Parts: sequence; structure tokens; C-alpha cells
Amino acid sequence: GENVEQHPSTLSVQEGDSAVIKCTYSDSASNYFPWYKQELGKRPQLIIDIRSNVGEKKDQRIAVTLNKTAKHFSLHITETQPEDSAVYFCAASRGASFGNEKLTFGTGTRLTIIP
Amino acid sequence: DARVTQTPRDKVTEMGQEVTMRCQPILGHNTVFWYRQTMMQGLELLAYFRNRAPLDDSGMPKDRFSAEMPDATLATLKIQPSEPRDSAVYFCASAANGGSPLHFGNGTRLTVT
Repeated sequence: GENVEQHPSTLSVQEGDSAVIKCTYSDSASNYFPWYKQELGKRPQLIIDIRSNVGEKKDQRIAVTLNKTAKHFSLHITETQPEDSAVYFCAASRGASFGNEKLTFGTGTRLTIIP
Repeated sequence: DARVTQTPRDKVTEMGQEVTMRCQPILGHNTVFWYRQTMMQGLELLAYFRNRAPLDDSGMPKDRFSAEMPDATLATLKIQPSEPRDSAVYFCASAANGGSPLHFGNGTRLTVT
């Protein structure tokens, strides 16, 4: 089955700096890669996703890049703010219908923004 | 803002007791997932259903866990008998066909003493 590795497990950055979280996956058939943000005591919430036919996607301060050849994808957060502090999970799945195929999650990155 | 609804929000029980967790997926979503979250294992898929049919429950300990969808608006996860190692947050999530992202409920925090 799919295996998703995520690094680093913890990350601290100064407010205003950029943060980068990296994931690798094992299943070459995976074609959908979402990122979830989970605040303490709350549910994971989708922040951005990317499909395998796209190399990069941006949404304001958040961007995701995908390298299918190397089987890795990354989350980039620019101009970080205190409210970006949370645990971030990457995930991967195969199948044409994206969200309704089972997701395999990475182990999470605890991001702390230092004011 | 449609949401996945899970009950109970918190459950404390003694070892050996039966635990039932319930989930109401977003109306129109045909795929329902059960995930378990622990510090050690992260988010693990336990089981999932599409159009109420079980597709994969390989992540679920079969001897004590069972998952069902009695109808399209209700999914249940039962543990009988519960053990302290079952203590975790159990998330239900749902998605629709055709490119809908996965939406999580608020979870059930289970503590087995």
C-alpha cells in the first residue's frame, strides 16, 4: 500500500518568514495530494490540494509543488503569521475522484510561528 | 456551511465496555471514512464505505471493532470490548463523487480506563 513520509516533524519560524514542509510517497499511481491543517483540539481542514497533472498551485500565501518523477510534494507558506501555528498533514491517494478515494496521511508537522 | 456531525464529542468508559460512535455525513456525500488519530500512529484509516457498501476495513481490528452504515445518513463505529489502547480521537469524514475534497467531523475523543 501507499506510504507517505513527512518532514520535518516540528518546525519553528519567525513571523514573516517562510515555512516549507516536505512529503514523499511510494505509490506511483497516486494522483491526488491534499494538505490539511489541524489546530489544537480541532478537526483537520483542507487548505490546498494538487492533482498529478499540475506541478504547482498557489492560493494567496500558500503554495504546493509536486514532482511526480521524484514522488515528492511540498507545502510552502510565505509571510507566516501567528495563526499559521498548527499541525500540518500531507496525504496521497489514487483514483479519479480525488476526495472520495482513501487518503494515506503523513505523520504531521507541528509548525510554530514565533512572534 | 455543511458539516460532518459526530457524536458523542467525548466518551470516557471502562475497559470491557461497549462503545458506539456515530457519524452523520454531509448530505449528498456518498463516501464515508473512519480515521483514528493518536500521537504515536497519526491518522490511520480504519474503514470506509461508498454508497453504504464497505470498501476497505483492513485497518480495523476485526475481533473488537465493527463499522456499519444502516442508512445514507448514519455511519457507526463500535468497539466491543473496549481496551485502554483504543483511547484516541476517532474522526469520521465524508466526500462526494467527482472531485469533492474530504471533510472531517469534529471527532470523538475516546478514553478507556
